[in-house]
Formats: sequence, structure tokens, C-alpha cells
Amino acid sequence: AQSVAQPEDQVNVAEGNPLTVKCTYSVSGNPYLFWYVQYPNRGLQFLLKYITGDNLVKGSYGFEAEFNKSQTSFHLKKPSALVSDSALYFCAVRGKDTGRRALTFGSGTRLQVQP
Amino acid sequence: DGGITQSPKYLFRKEGQNVTLSCEQNLNHDAMYWYRQDPGQGLRLIYYSQIVNDFQKGDIAEGYSVSREKKESFPLTVTSAQKNPTAFYLCASSLGLAPNEQFFGPGTRLTVL
Repeated sequence: AQSVAQPEDQVNVAEGNPLTVKCTYSVSGNPYLFWYVQYPNRGLQFLLKYITGDNLVKGSYGFEAEFNKSQTSFHLKKPSALVSDSALYFCAVRGKDTGRRALTFGSGTRLQVQP
Repeated sequence: DGGITQSPKYLFRKEGQNVTLSCEQNLNHDAMYWYRQDPGQGLRLIYYSQIVNDFQKGDIAEGYSVSREKKESFPLTVTSAQKNPTAFYLCASSLGLAPNEQFFGPGTRLTVL
């Protein structure tokens, strides 16, 4: 079975400060990992993904994520938050070698950036 | 949301009625997906299809049905057997299964009156 945990329902950060949104996963073998963002009443938008190789992945809008195999984590980060980054963020996983052929999403973390 | 459309944006259904949600994509993607989103529960997979005329149940398929007669279209029917259908429904497509990223439509909000 594969699963994703986003331990924080909400993260609050001041504009200009660094932000981190946490994600841990559980799969058999190696994972494909994704981050998506959702603005109110909209579909999800792809931010970045980890397939293999460099553990630091850079994505859209200045976001990046670090894959840590030993801690089974894939935390989303940004050096300087913007008010416009306020949205709902989802982490997702699929095991490379498992029978399940679709992504499993976390429950989401709401990011609130205060001006 | 470009390239994948869902209609209608809002849908109201009386109890006991079947309703069909439309999903169309012009991205030439092989794979398509339906998700249900409820507050605090993230996205849950209802059905997915890797190619035309083939589809697989997801985690919460009971009370739902789909068809994939054309590559561009993947309609979802919410049947009267679905006991709690009020939710936000999202359709997505991708070139293939992961690691290909999914592109999402704008969603349909279904409310049962």
C-alpha cells in the first residue's frame, strides 16, 4: 500500500520569510513524488516532481522540494514567501515498482502568507 | 486549467437521480482520472483510464460509473447508489501514468438537494 501524510493542516508565514510545507510518504521500493497547488474553487496545478537523481528538485514559482530517502520525506520549500502563495498544497506519491498504478494524494496543507 | 474542461461548474441533484459530469481534454493524453474532493480529506480516486475502452476502479468507485469511448472524453455518472454525493469533483489527464504529471480541470461542484 502507498500513503502520504501532510502533518500540518495549516502553515502560517509572514511575507518575505522562508516557508516549508511538510510531506512524508510510504511506498514499497522507490517513489515518484509530486507537489500540486490549488487556489480556491479551482483545479490543481502541478508544481514539481521527483523521479530520480538530484534530491533537490526545483519547480514553478520559485518552489523547490528536497527528497530524503532515509526520512521518507519530500518537503516543499520557498526561500521568500509571497502573499500570492496562499493556497492549498497537496503532496502525492506513486511507487515505481508497486501494483497500484495511480497517485495517492495527501490531505492537503493550507498555506497562509500574511502581508 | 488550460486544455481540460469540465461541465457544468455547478450541479444540483435531487435524491434518487443519476447525473453525469462531463470531462473533455484536447491535450492528446492517454490517461484520464476522476477524483472526489471533500474538506479535510484531500483527493480520493474514483476511476481512472489508461487508454480508450479501458478503465479501472479507484479507491471509492461504489455508486459511480464511467465510460471511455473516445480519447478526449471521460464522463462520470453519479448514480443514486452513491449515498453522499455532495462534493467537488475533479477530472485530470496525463500523457501516461506517473511519472507523468497530471493536468486538472476546473472542477464541478455537485450538491444534492
